[in-house]
Amino acid sequence: AQRVTQPEKLLSVFKGAPVELKCNYSYSGSPELFWYVQYSRQRLQLLLRHISRESIKGFTADLNKGETSFHLKKPFAQEEDSAMYYCALGNNFGNEKLTFGTGTRLTIIP
Amino acid sequence: DVKVTQSSRYLVKRTGEKVFLECVQDMDHENMFWYRQDPGLGLRLIYFSYDVKMKEKGDIPEGYSVSREKKERFSLILESASTNQTSMYLCASSLTGAPARAQHFGDGTRLSIL
Repeated sequence: AQRVTQPEKLLSVFKGAPVELKCNYSYSGSPELFWYVQYSRQRLQLLLRHISRESIKGFTADLNKGETSFHLKKPFAQEEDSAMYYCALGNNFGNEKLTFGTGTRLTIIP
Repeated sequence: DVKVTQSSRYLVKRTGEKVFLECVQDMDHENMFWYRQDPGLGLRLIYFSYDVKMKEKGDIPEGYSVSREKKERFSLILESASTNQTSMYLCASSLTGAPARAQHFGDGTRLSIL
């Protein structure tokens, strides 16, 4: 069974400090991984996907198959990064289901 | 831009009532999903649909059913509402085969069962 673990429910970081949100997954096939973000009073939205190897709003995430991790990183936190972050795992079964982690609430301290 | 619209932002119902949550998307997406979002539990999939009249159970389907009579509309039905179904409900849609299968979410319906 596929599973996503986000070990931190809450994370507080000072403005300007580096941010790392942890995500570990369990999946026997080739994973497709995503980070979704929900800002206060906004809808949940896609932040980035591993396949695109992109940097969005200064965030990056590298898939490490050896450690089965997909941690989200940003070198210098900004106050507008405060939000709820979810890691999600797709599958290769031919359907479009995603398995979400339990989420990490990131708070940036001014 | 993809628009996923959920019919109500807030809804209050009584125990035992039959409750309908409606979701409409305007981008001709094949796939639609219903999740519930609870603090500490994240998003849990209730049901999803990959085509009109097609549906599959998610991780927590008990007490729920769904209907998809038209491609753009996906309804979640609470057959007999109970207090433990008080939650935030999120609808999402996605395009089959889109790069990385990104899901697009609605604003959510906060449902309270009294």
